[in-house]
Parts: sequence; C-alpha cells; structure tokens
Amino acid sequence: EDQVTQSPEALRLQEGESSSLNCSYTVSGLRGLFWYRQDPGKGPEFLFTLYSAGEEKEKERLKATLTKKESFLHITAPKPEDSATYLCAVRTNNDMRFGAGTRLTVKP
Amino acid sequence: AAGVIQSPRHLIKEKRETATLKCYPIPRHDTVYWYQQGPGQDPQFLISFYEKMQSDKGSIPDRFSAQQFSDYHSELNMSSLELGDSALYFCASSLGLNTEAFFGQGTRLTVV
Repeated sequence: EDQVTQSPEALRLQEGESSSLNCSYTVSGLRGLFWYRQDPGKGPEFLFTLYSAGEEKEKERLKATLTKKESFLHITAPKPEDSATYLCAVRTNNDMRFGAGTRLTVKP
Repeated sequence: AAGVIQSPRHLIKEKRETATLKCYPIPRHDTVYWYQQGPGQDPQFLISFYEKMQSDKGSIPDRFSAQQFSDYHSELNMSSLELGDSALYFCASSLGLNTEAFFGQGTRLTVV
C-alpha cells in the first residue's frame, strides 16, 4: 500500500536555527512529489514540485531535495513567519496522497 | 492571478440533510481534486477529475458523489449527512494529472 510519512510531527526552532523536515514514501509509481505550507484554517499553499531523484528546488529560506525514497525540506535561518504546517504530497498512479505534516514553530 | 474559488465558505447543515459544494478551478486547469480535512489531520483524498472524467477515487463515502462539468467547475454532493462529515473540504486544480495542484480556501461544513 502506498504510504507517505513525514517526520518529525512537530518541530520548535529558535529564529535563525536551521533544520530539515523529512518526507519518506513507499509508493507504486511516483509521478511527482509536492511540498505545501498550510496555515490554520486555510488551504495548502504550493511551494515546490520535484519529479526525479537528485532534483533540488530553492525559494527564499527553503530548499527541497529528492532521493528515490525520501524528500527533505531544508529551512535556513527561519523566521517566526515561517511557522506553519508543512505538508508533502505524492502523486502516484492512483491518487495524490498527503503525509500527516510537520508542524513548525519558530520562536523569536 | 486567479485562484481556485470554492463556495460556500461556510455551511451548516443538520443530520440527514444534503449539501452541495462548488469548486471553480484556475482558468485553463483541466484537473480537479477534492479533499476532506478533519481538525488536526492531513487532507484525505476523496476523488479527482481530469477532462470531465473521474480519474481517481479515494476514500469518498458512497453517500457522496461528484462531477466535473463542461466548464470544468466541479461539484461535490453530500447526502444523508452525519456528524462525522463535519470538516474542511478543499478543492484543488492543476493543469494535467502530474503537475502541482493549487488549493482553494476551503468550505467549512458543520453538521449539527
């Protein structure tokens, strides 16, 4: 069965303290991996698309990487406004499936 | 830039009633996804449409049905509502099946 697992469930950082979020997947037929940011009560906001192992995408303080089994979202020198839930989603042959998310809190 | 539009934003229904949620995708997007998100949970895939045909089916209850119309907007019809159907319902659209999907702001359904 297709599975998408994100870790950690929650992460608390001090402002400026860099870290990484993990998304590991076991799916039949990866057709794309997507990172989203979600604020409470709002729709997920698209961040990155990754299609093949070795691919990297970067935007401001965020950088996403992809291997054959997992993806990382690296956050460099985060700010309080980066606090949100970060979701990864995997497009398979059957659906677009989300992980449970990592709830990131960045303290000033 | 135009985004995905969902209506209504909030809906309150009684048990056993029916509800219809509407989704207007980003112009030229041909694919629509529906998700259900309970409090503190990740979005659960319900169903998707590509070029007005159902493309994938997830954990959509038999009491729910959906379709995509000729103008690419989609509707999610929910009947015999139960208390457990209370959730945020998101629609997302994409250009093709394998590209990033953009989400609407959701419809918050409360069943009382």
